[in-house]
Amino acid sequence: DAKTTQPNSMESNEEEPVHLPCNHSTISGTDYIHWYRQLPSQGPEYVIHGLTSNVNNRMASLAIAEDRKSSTLILHRATLRDAAVYYCILRPRGSGGGADGLTFGKGTHLIIQP
Amino acid sequence: DSGVTQTPKHLITATGQRVTLRCSPRSGDLSVYWYQQSLDQGLQFLIQYYNGEERAKGNILERFSAQQFPDLHSELNLSSLELGDSALYFCASSRRDRGRMMERYFGPGTRLTVT
Repeated sequence: DAKTTQPNSMESNEEEPVHLPCNHSTISGTDYIHWYRQLPSQGPEYVIHGLTSNVNNRMASLAIAEDRKSSTLILHRATLRDAAVYYCILRPRGSGGGADGLTFGKGTHLIIQP
Repeated sequence: DSGVTQTPKHLITATGQRVTLRCSPRSGDLSVYWYQQSLDQGLQFLIQYYNGEERAKGNILERFSAQQFPDLHSELNLSSLELGDSALYFCASSRRDRGRMMERYFGPGTRLTVT
């Protein structure tokens, strides 16, 4: 399985943008890039996903490098509620009814300072 | 609120015992996944069911088993419990859209403590 590499932790200030990097140099052409986050004492929560083009939703933006070997999750204006562990996960496009376990790595622990 | 419910929230039991964790997926989701999260191992995928059938297995021990019932709720059975089985157990659900599994919705988890 293609793996991802993320920094163990990052720190940011409240109300400032946050850029969370993810390297996936062995990504295949059919892998989607998914981001989940896990707030303290809660289950993981879907954030965003993309394939080639940059994506935006109400929670975040996903910027994908042209060669797809890295991506960046962007929180435009961090709040204290965004303090969580953020996971970058590669998911094969063909995961229809088959094995679809979603492999979570260690993620990035995002600390938000007030 | 993800729409996925798990019971019980907390469970304390002794080594050697057997417990059952229950999960109700979001309405309309046919796929259920079980995950184990411990401090040293992180979030580990255990098993997936789709519409009552086992679809994928991850790092699930032989002492553990699961099933998905006709009403789509799922149960994870853990037997011969050991201290190392103490962990958070999460259930997640998802649906298919045009043949592709959509994003995963996770429940709040069951915290299992084995003493």
